[in-house]
Amino acid sequence: QQQVKQSPQSLIVQKGGISIINCAYENTAFDYFPWYQQFPGKGPALLIAIRPDVSEKKEGRFTISFNKSAKQFSLHIMDSQPGDSATYFCAASFRNTGKLIFGQGTTLQVKP
Amino acid sequence: DAMVIQNPRYQVTQFGKPVTLSCSQTLNHNVMYWYQQKSSQAPKLLFHYYDKDFNNEADTPDNFQSRRPNTSFCFLDIRSPGLGDTAMYLCATSRENQGQPQHFGDGTRLSIL
Repeated sequence: QQQVKQSPQSLIVQKGGISIINCAYENTAFDYFPWYQQFPGKGPALLIAIRPDVSEKKEGRFTISFNKSAKQFSLHIMDSQPGDSATYFCAASFRNTGKLIFGQGTTLQVKP
Repeated sequence: DAMVIQNPRYQVTQFGKPVTLSCSQTLNHNVMYWYQQKSSQAPKLLFHYYDKDFNNEADTPDNFQSRRPNTSFCFLDIRSPGLGDTAMYLCATSRENQGQPQHFGDGTRLSIL
Protein backbone atom coordinates (compact mmCIF):
# COMPACT_ATOMS: atom_id res chain seq x y z
CA GLN A 1 0.00 0.00 0.00
CA GLN A 2 2.94 2.30 0.64
CA GLN A 3 4.82 1.32 -2.50
CA VAL A 4 5.44 3.29 -5.63
CA LYS A 5 6.43 1.01 -8.51
CA GLN A 6 8.69 2.48 -11.16
CA SER A 7 9.70 1.13 -14.56
CA PRO A 8 11.87 0.57 -16.45
CA GLN A 9 14.89 0.07 -14.21
CA SER A 10 17.18 1.30 -16.98
CA LEU A 11 16.63 3.08 -20.27
CA ILE A 12 18.86 3.87 -23.24
CA VAL A 13 17.69 6.55 -25.66
CA GLN A 14 19.31 8.19 -28.66
CA LYS A 15 19.94 11.93 -28.56
CA GLY A 16 16.82 13.76 -29.69
CA GLY A 17 14.52 10.89 -28.75
CA ILE A 18 11.75 10.73 -26.14
CA SER A 19 12.45 9.15 -22.75
CA ILE A 20 9.43 7.75 -20.93
CA ILE A 21 9.44 6.55 -17.32
CA ASN A 22 6.34 5.13 -15.66
CA CYS A 23 5.17 4.91 -12.07
CA ALA A 24 2.16 3.34 -10.38
CA TYR A 25 0.78 3.59 -6.87
CA GLU A 26 -2.01 2.07 -4.79
CA ASN A 27 -2.58 4.37 -1.84
CA THR A 28 -5.20 7.08 -2.44
CA ALA A 29 -3.77 9.08 0.48
CA PHE A 30 -0.99 10.32 -1.80
CA ASP A 31 -1.64 13.86 -2.98
CA TYR A 32 1.61 15.18 -4.40
CA PHE A 33 3.78 13.50 -7.02
CA PRO A 34 7.29 14.88 -7.64
CA TRP A 35 10.03 13.64 -9.95
CA TYR A 36 13.65 13.92 -8.91
CA GLN A 37 16.81 13.80 -11.01
CA GLN A 38 20.01 12.57 -9.42
CA PHE A 39 23.52 12.71 -10.83
CA PRO A 40 26.31 10.53 -9.37
CA GLY A 41 27.66 11.97 -6.13
CA LYS A 42 24.87 14.54 -5.88
CA GLY A 43 21.61 14.76 -4.00
CA PRO A 44 18.27 14.39 -5.78
CA ALA A 45 17.07 17.60 -7.43
CA LEU A 46 13.39 18.34 -7.90
CA LEU A 47 12.59 18.27 -11.60
CA ILE A 48 8.84 18.70 -11.83
CA ALA A 49 5.82 17.85 -9.69
CA ILE A 50 2.07 17.43 -10.08
CA ARG A 51 -1.02 17.25 -7.90
CA PRO A 52 -3.84 14.76 -8.63
CA ASP A 53 -6.34 17.42 -9.74
CA VAL A 54 -4.24 18.03 -12.88
CA SER A 55 -3.79 15.52 -15.72
CA GLU A 56 -0.68 17.00 -17.29
CA LYS A 57 2.06 19.45 -16.43
CA LYS A 58 4.80 20.65 -18.76
CA GLU A 59 8.00 22.49 -17.94
CA GLY A 60 10.33 22.92 -20.88
CA ARG A 61 11.24 19.49 -22.24
CA PHE A 62 9.78 17.68 -19.21
CA THR A 63 6.13 16.63 -19.00
CA ILE A 64 4.25 14.70 -16.31
CA SER A 65 1.14 12.82 -17.38
CA PHE A 66 -1.16 11.82 -14.51
CA ASN A 67 -4.01 9.28 -14.67
CA LYS A 68 -5.85 9.40 -11.36
CA SER A 69 -8.30 6.58 -12.11
CA ALA A 70 -5.49 4.23 -13.13
CA LYS A 71 -3.23 5.46 -10.30
CA GLN A 72 -0.39 5.93 -12.74
CA PHE A 73 1.86 8.80 -13.69
CA SER A 74 4.73 9.15 -16.09
CA LEU A 75 7.61 11.43 -17.00
CA HIS A 76 8.28 12.28 -20.63
CA ILE A 77 11.58 13.89 -21.60
CA MET A 78 11.36 15.33 -25.09
CA ASP A 79 14.43 15.87 -27.27
CA SER A 80 16.57 13.91 -24.81
CA GLN A 81 20.16 15.13 -24.47
CA PRO A 82 23.33 13.43 -23.19
CA GLY A 83 23.23 15.85 -20.25
CA ASP A 84 19.94 14.25 -19.20
CA SER A 85 21.80 11.02 -18.41
CA ALA A 86 21.07 10.48 -14.72
CA THR A 87 18.92 8.46 -12.34
CA TYR A 88 15.29 9.53 -12.13
CA PHE A 89 13.05 8.85 -9.16
CA CYS A 90 9.32 9.27 -9.04
CA ALA A 91 7.82 9.81 -5.61
CA ALA A 92 4.50 10.23 -3.88
CA SER A 93 3.73 12.24 -0.78
CA PHE A 94 1.14 11.46 1.86
CA ARG A 95 -1.58 14.08 2.30
CA ASN A 96 -1.39 14.36 6.08
CA THR A 97 2.31 13.93 6.76
CA GLY A 98 4.16 14.95 3.61
CA LYS A 99 6.23 11.76 3.88
CA LEU A 100 7.79 10.93 0.50
CA ILE A 101 7.74 7.39 -0.84
CA PHE A 102 10.22 6.94 -3.68
CA GLY A 103 10.04 4.61 -6.65
CA GLN A 104 12.97 2.30 -7.28
CA GLY A 105 14.66 4.64 -9.76
CA THR A 106 15.42 4.56 -13.48
CA THR A 107 18.91 4.99 -14.84
CA LEU A 108 18.70 6.90 -18.11
CA GLN A 109 21.52 6.94 -20.63
CA VAL A 110 21.19 9.24 -23.63
CA LYS A 111 23.59 8.28 -26.41
CA PRO A 112 25.06 11.05 -28.57
CA ASP B 1 24.17 28.85 -4.28
CA ALA B 2 23.75 25.80 -2.09
CA MET B 3 20.72 26.11 0.18
CA VAL B 4 21.04 22.78 1.99
CA ILE B 5 24.65 22.19 2.98
CA GLN B 6 25.96 18.94 4.32
CA ASN B 7 29.28 18.36 6.02
CA PRO B 8 31.48 16.55 5.62
CA ARG B 9 31.00 15.37 2.01
CA TYR B 10 32.96 12.22 2.72
CA GLN B 11 33.50 10.46 6.04
CA VAL B 12 35.40 7.29 6.76
CA THR B 13 35.13 5.83 10.23
CA GLN B 14 35.84 2.60 12.04
CA PHE B 15 33.30 -0.02 12.95
CA GLY B 16 31.68 0.97 16.26
CA LYS B 17 33.18 4.49 16.40
CA PRO B 18 30.48 7.19 16.83
CA VAL B 19 30.05 9.61 13.94
CA THR B 20 28.10 12.82 13.51
CA LEU B 21 26.92 14.25 10.22
CA SER B 22 25.68 17.82 9.93
CA CYS B 23 23.19 19.67 7.78
CA SER B 24 22.47 23.38 7.58
CA GLN B 25 19.90 25.27 5.55
CA THR B 26 19.49 28.86 4.43
CA LEU B 27 15.85 28.43 3.37
CA ASN B 28 14.33 28.92 6.83
CA HIS B 29 12.18 25.84 6.24
CA ASN B 30 10.18 24.29 9.06
CA VAL B 31 10.86 20.68 8.19
CA MET B 32 14.20 18.89 8.01
CA TYR B 33 14.61 15.26 6.92
CA TRP B 34 17.36 12.66 7.05
CA TYR B 35 17.48 9.92 4.41
CA GLN B 36 19.78 6.96 3.92
CA GLN B 37 20.58 6.00 0.33
CA LYS B 38 22.49 2.80 -0.38
CA SER B 39 24.14 2.12 -3.70
CA SER B 40 21.66 1.87 -6.60
CA GLN B 41 18.69 2.27 -4.26
CA ALA B 42 16.12 4.97 -3.59
CA PRO B 43 16.47 7.26 -0.57
CA LYS B 44 14.91 5.83 2.58
CA LEU B 45 13.53 8.18 5.22
CA LEU B 46 15.12 7.78 8.67
CA PHE B 47 13.39 10.60 10.58
CA HIS B 48 12.31 14.19 10.31
CA TYR B 49 11.74 17.30 12.40
CA TYR B 50 8.78 19.59 12.05
CA ASP B 51 10.12 22.58 13.95
CA LYS B 52 11.22 20.91 17.20
CA ASP B 53 8.88 17.94 16.90
CA PHE B 54 10.84 14.77 16.16
CA ASN B 55 9.33 11.95 14.08
CA ASN B 56 11.14 8.64 13.86
CA GLU B 57 10.40 6.02 11.20
CA ALA B 58 9.45 2.66 12.68
CA ASP B 59 12.30 0.79 11.00
CA THR B 60 15.08 3.27 11.73
CA PRO B 61 17.81 1.49 13.72
CA ASP B 62 18.04 2.43 17.39
CA ASN B 63 21.67 3.57 17.08
CA PHE B 64 20.60 6.37 14.71
CA GLN B 65 19.66 9.58 16.47
CA SER B 66 19.13 13.19 15.49
CA ARG B 67 19.34 16.66 17.01
CA ARG B 68 17.97 19.96 15.78
CA PRO B 69 19.32 22.73 18.01
CA ASN B 70 17.79 25.51 15.92
CA THR B 71 15.90 26.11 12.65
CA SER B 72 19.03 26.13 10.52
CA PHE B 73 20.92 23.08 11.75
CA CYS B 74 20.22 19.38 12.08
CA PHE B 75 22.61 16.56 13.03
CA LEU B 76 22.59 12.81 12.45
CA ASP B 77 24.40 10.82 15.13
CA ILE B 78 25.26 7.17 14.59
CA ARG B 79 26.29 5.80 17.97
CA SER B 80 27.88 2.51 16.97
CA PRO B 81 28.04 2.25 13.19
CA GLY B 82 28.14 -1.16 11.58
CA LEU B 83 29.38 -2.18 8.16
CA GLY B 84 25.79 -2.11 6.89
CA ASP B 85 25.56 1.60 7.63
CA THR B 86 27.88 2.41 4.74
CA ALA B 87 25.72 4.64 2.56
CA MET B 88 25.03 8.15 1.34
CA TYR B 89 23.17 10.20 3.95
CA LEU B 90 20.97 12.92 2.56
CA CYS B 91 19.45 15.88 4.33
CA ALA B 92 16.38 17.60 2.89
CA THR B 93 14.13 20.48 3.88
CA SER B 94 10.62 21.61 3.07
CA ARG B 95 8.64 24.67 4.02
CA GLU B 96 5.74 22.67 5.43
CA ASN B 97 5.09 18.95 5.80
CA GLN B 98 2.17 18.63 3.39
CA GLY B 99 2.53 18.59 -0.36
CA GLN B 100 5.63 20.73 -0.46
CA PRO B 101 8.79 20.17 -2.48
CA GLN B 102 11.72 18.76 -0.59
CA HIS B 103 15.12 20.32 -1.29
CA PHE B 104 18.07 17.98 -0.89
CA GLY B 105 21.68 18.59 -0.03
CA ASP B 106 24.45 16.75 -1.87
CA GLY B 107 24.84 14.24 0.90
CA THR B 108 27.59 12.77 3.04
CA ARG B 109 29.11 9.57 1.73
CA LEU B 110 29.85 7.50 4.84
CA SER B 111 32.12 4.48 4.75
CA ILE B 112 32.44 2.16 7.73
CA LEU B 113 35.62 0.09 7.78
